[in-house]
Amino acid sequence: ETGVTQSPTHLIKTRGQQVTLRCSSQSGHNTVSWYQQALGQGPQFIFQYYREEENGRGNFPPRFSGLQFPNYSSELNVNALELDDSALYLCASIPVGDTEAFFGQGTRLTVV
Amino acid sequence: GNSVTQMEGPVTLSEEAFLTINCTYTATGYPSLFWYVQYPGEGLQLLLKATKADDKGSNKGFEATYRKETTSFHLEKGSVQVSDSAVYFCALKNNQGGKLIFGQGTELSVKP
Repeated sequence: ETGVTQSPTHLIKTRGQQVTLRCSSQSGHNTVSWYQQALGQGPQFIFQYYREEENGRGNFPPRFSGLQFPNYSSELNVNALELDDSALYLCASIPVGDTEAFFGQGTRLTVV
Repeated sequence: GNSVTQMEGPVTLSEEAFLTINCTYTATGYPSLFWYVQYPGEGLQLLLKATKADDKGSNKGFEATYRKETTSFHLEKGSVQVSDSAVYFCALKNNQGGKLIFGQGTELSVKP
């Protein structure tokens, strides 16, 4: 039990649609990161938020965007969904002053 | 750039066999190194970590030693169990709060 909760657990969307994935982390975790894990691959870094500001981004297009809220919950938004966006999306939160990231169970997104 | 390379799977072992999963990395500076485990249908769990050269991380019978001279962080366990069947990911992080860079994962299957 990591204390990081993601919703929904599974989601099916149609190509071209928009999706919002949610993450709730523990109190005191002021950094949240999002990762995309394609089937059979390792997770790839999408972006990171620290105190509600984006402070790092991986090689993902602008249609991937995010928000972090004052209560340390977070959202990942993906516009104009493509078939290749089908993946497990993982949220990870990091406590203040720590190096360890705590992962949620992930949201499995299928784009058809 | 920074990268992590793991031995390819799947690895199939009998119960009580010795396990080694190789991991090598390329990085600037002095990264922290991690092993994460992913059980079927779940997110990532931190298995162990090491933050500086010659450190040994250990947990649940698994061990890995940070070898800067060979840029390696191989995972070992003396006697595997069926319950260890999962996908194992080696990862690095260059600075506190920075993004994690993962290897492609190694699937382990332990047979009774």
